[in-house]
Amino acid sequence: SQKIEQNSEALNIQEGKTATLTCNYTNYSPAYLQWYRQDPGRGPVFLLLIRENEKEKRKERLKVTFDTTLKQSLFHITASQPADSATYLCALDGTGGGNKLTFGTGTQLKVEL
Amino acid sequence: DAGVIQSPRHEVTEMGQEVTLRCKPISGHDYLFWYRQTMMRGLELLIYFNNNVPIDDSGMPEDRFSAKMPNASFSTLKIQPSEPRDSAVYFCASSLWTSAISYNEQFFGPGTRLTVL
Repeated sequence: SQKIEQNSEALNIQEGKTATLTCNYTNYSPAYLQWYRQDPGRGPVFLLLIRENEKEKRKERLKVTFDTTLKQSLFHITASQPADSATYLCALDGTGGGNKLTFGTGTQLKVEL
Repeated sequence: DAGVIQSPRHEVTEMGQEVTLRCKPISGHDYLFWYRQTMMRGLELLIYFNNNVPIDDSGMPEDRFSAKMPNASFSTLKIQPSEPRDSAVYFCASSLWTSAISYNEQFFGPGTRLTVL
C-alpha cells in the first residue's frame, strides 16, 4: 500500500541557515506532491505543489524538489527565521485519483536565534 | 470569505455518548474532506464528498462513524457511541477543482479537539 515517510525527529537549526526536510514515498507514482505548514492548534496551510514532470519549484524563500526515480521530495527554507518554526507535512495525490490526498506524519522544524 | 468554519472547537464527552462535529466549507468549493489527526497516526482521511455526494468513505474506522452533507454549505461527522480511542483532532477541509489548475489545494478549518472520557 502507499506509504509516505517524513523524519519524525524534530529538526533544530540556527536562524539564517537553510532547513531541509525530506519526504519519501513507496508503492506509488503520484501525479503531484504538496507541502503544507501546520502551526500548533491550527489546521494545515498549503505552501507549494510540484508536479511529477517538474524537478524544482520555488516560492520566495521556499524551494521544493521532486525526484520520481528516488521517490523523494526535498523541502528547503533558505535564510530561516524563528517564524518558520512549525510542522511541515507532505501530501501525495491518492491512488485512484479523485482529488484526495494522503499526508505524511510531518516533521517539526524549530529555528533558534 | 471566513474560511472553513468548524464547530465546536473543543468537545469533551463521556464514553457512549453521541458526538456531532460540524463544518461549513468555503463558499463555492465542490469538495469537502473530513480528517482525523493523532500523534500516533498523523492526519488520516476519513471521508470526502464531491458536490455533496460521498465519494470515498474507506477511511471511516467503523460503523460508529457517519458523515452527511445535506447541502453545499454544511456537513456533519457523527460518532455514536463514542469511545476513548476516538479522542483526536478532527479537521474539515474544502477545495475547488478546476480543469485549468487540475490539482487540489485543500483549505483546512481550525479543527475540533475531541476528548472522550
